[in-house]
Amino acid sequence: QSVLTQPPSVSGAPGQRVTISCTGSSSNIGAGYDVHWYQQLPGTAPKLLIYGYSNRPSGVPDRFSGSKSGTSASLAITGLQAEDEADYYCQSYDSSLSGYVFGTGTKVTVL
Amino acid sequence: EVQLVESGGGLVQPGGSLRLSCAASGFTFSSSAMSWVRQAPGKGLEWVSGISDSGDSTYYADSVKGRFTISRDNSKNTLYLQMNSLRAEDTAVYYCANSQWFGYHMDVWGNGTTVTVSS
Repeated sequence: QSVLTQPPSVSGAPGQRVTISCTGSSSNIGAGYDVHWYQQLPGTAPKLLIYGYSNRPSGVPDRFSGSKSGTSASLAITGLQAEDEADYYCQSYDSSLSGYVFGTGTKVTVL
Repeated sequence: EVQLVESGGGLVQPGGSLRLSCAASGFTFSSSAMSWVRQAPGKGLEWVSGISDSGDSTYYADSVKGRFTISRDNSKNTLYLQMNSLRAEDTAVYYCANSQWFGYHMDVWGNGTTVTVSS
């Protein structure tokens, strides 16, 4: 079951900025565990997008950025492009479950 | 190029068993923790199981504890997931993924293998 909560969907016009929130609790994000973000394009496997709240792997455009605030994290996409249409998932570690937890997922639609 | 290739999926009856494999290449497999993550049709991602680089430590989601067993053969650069007492709710695409250590981000994912549990 997902213990990290994300909005089901967000949308924006090309060039706009959208943000996705990821709300956790005191046993995961609030406990200081890192948050990572994955992008899943339609019909493909997830791909690492952001790690350690705000770090981008090589090849990920700087249009993608991450941040943390208390028991929540956020992913921002600036200069939205058609190719950004995908599902986005946050992930952390949960000490009470002794394992990984994923967010509920957010579908980004480019209008 | 870092690559993970899953295999072993298929159609199995409820109560049956299946063993998934994940062949790794392009990185030092024996120095990486590994995990299995699944995605039911039309649903989100669910972490299933993880294993340390040496294989000494294993971790399971409550939903599969006691039914699934993760293992690895570092001499063959291969990760396994033995799935027993399968249920309809185990139907999903199963991905393997690597990480620097268990609990850290998952760097690379395979393309997945589909498991369908149905009579």
